[in-house]
Amino acid sequence: SAVISQKPSRDICQRGTSLTIQCQVDSQVTMMFWYRQQPGQSLTLIATANQGSEATYESGFVIDKFPISRPNLTFSTLTVSNMSPEDSSIYLCSVEVVRNTEAFFGQGTRLTVV
Amino acid sequence: KQEVTQIPAALSVPEGENLVLNCSFTDSAIYNLQWFRQDPGKGLTSLLLIQSSQREQTSGRLNASLDKSSGRSTLYIAASQPGDSATYLCAVLYNFNKFYFGSGTKLNVKP
Repeated sequence: SAVISQKPSRDICQRGTSLTIQCQVDSQVTMMFWYRQQPGQSLTLIATANQGSEATYESGFVIDKFPISRPNLTFSTLTVSNMSPEDSSIYLCSVEVVRNTEAFFGQGTRLTVV
Repeated sequence: KQEVTQIPAALSVPEGENLVLNCSFTDSAIYNLQWFRQDPGKGLTSLLLIQSSQREQTSGRLNASLDKSSGRSTLYIAASQPGDSATYLCAVLYNFNKFYFGSGTKLNVKP
């Protein structure tokens, strides 16, 4: 299993600003994933973050808006840039300790943009 | 295109009832299927993982089944309790480590 710590747990931000969300895992993992969950919706994958390479973004998500860092095998950050109210969502970090097996999630960051 | 559908979208039952949540998926070439629980405003808690070669998994009062050929999975909750109230999400893993999530079933167990 894996224990994932996400910070902050929630934040209220002004439009036009940026917020960086941190994800720390208690074990080394190859791949980390960032998801967005808009109000009342299910989860949508933003990008896959591999250590030592550029993140792979899903259709509809771009690096300028959601830059991701993956400096080592236990840590990643997601930045939500130039925020607008439409970015208000829960952002979740996820890992798989062993590929193609069980996925583990952090507790999420609840972002409100005003 | 892979799609995951969950029915019903919401369910309200009295305490003690047994209930079934349904998940269907369009592409049967899955690696695994995972059921999660999500409490309001929180992250996801893994409940059960079924590998593509398995037909069911059990944990306590929970039992999940998988029928790849028909593209269906069910989550059976026995003797429901108010603490079971949450949204239950089904996620299917296909190639390239990409999960496809259903829209969830919001369960309310009334005392």
